[in-house]
Amino acid sequence: EAGVTQSPTHLIKTRGQQATLRCSPISGHTSVYWYQQALGLGLQFLLWYDEGEERNRGNFPPRFSGRQFPNYSSELNVNALELEDSALYLCASSLGPQTYFGPGTRLTVT
Amino acid sequence: QQPVQSPQAVILREGEDAVINCSSSKALYSVHWYRQKHGEAPVFLMILLKGGEQKGHEKISASFNEKKQQSSLYLTASQLSYSGTYFCGTGNSGNTPLVFGKGTRLSVIA
Repeated sequence: EAGVTQSPTHLIKTRGQQATLRCSPISGHTSVYWYQQALGLGLQFLLWYDEGEERNRGNFPPRFSGRQFPNYSSELNVNALELEDSALYLCASSLGPQTYFGPGTRLTVT
Repeated sequence: QQPVQSPQAVILREGEDAVINCSSSKALYSVHWYRQKHGEAPVFLMILLKGGEQKGHEKISASFNEKKQQSSLYLTASQLSYSGTYFCGTGNSGNTPLVFGKGTRLSVIA
């Protein structure tokens, strides 16, 4: 069974641009979570989608947004990129208590 | 409320044992343990649900003390492959997002 997949693996953007990150959950999983992991820091919760709806968001500005599609895949959009947005963005999915992470997208803002 | 992990870092020689602690200021429903190697996604190790149970996976086991609102991860006879950063994540019932501690960096040396 395929795990959580994310694309692209790496993304380089300049300050002020927009970035779009994509995630496909494990087949059958309806919940998708986005986490940000800045260098040397832990996992900071960004967004939670379930059944196409945004269920919760972490302490991040509104320029971080996303959506979940009918097939449960998800997209994270970051507008007006800032240097401190450089981080590993991890997507995770669950269908119950167990949560599985994808390989992440490393976003670099220059 | 972010759980607190201790120690922040530990260095072990092969064959030595280690304990990583995770405590929370709020009641816990579940505790999830992950290991992340440098540049990779967090890998699920085990989940403990409230009830004070202890789980094990090979030489890695964990306990969950609901009353004390804490969990401990035990690594026995450590191997080089155990090196990485260990995160505990705490969850509520349902699919609510996990809240992670800042991690414990474990280095096993020969």
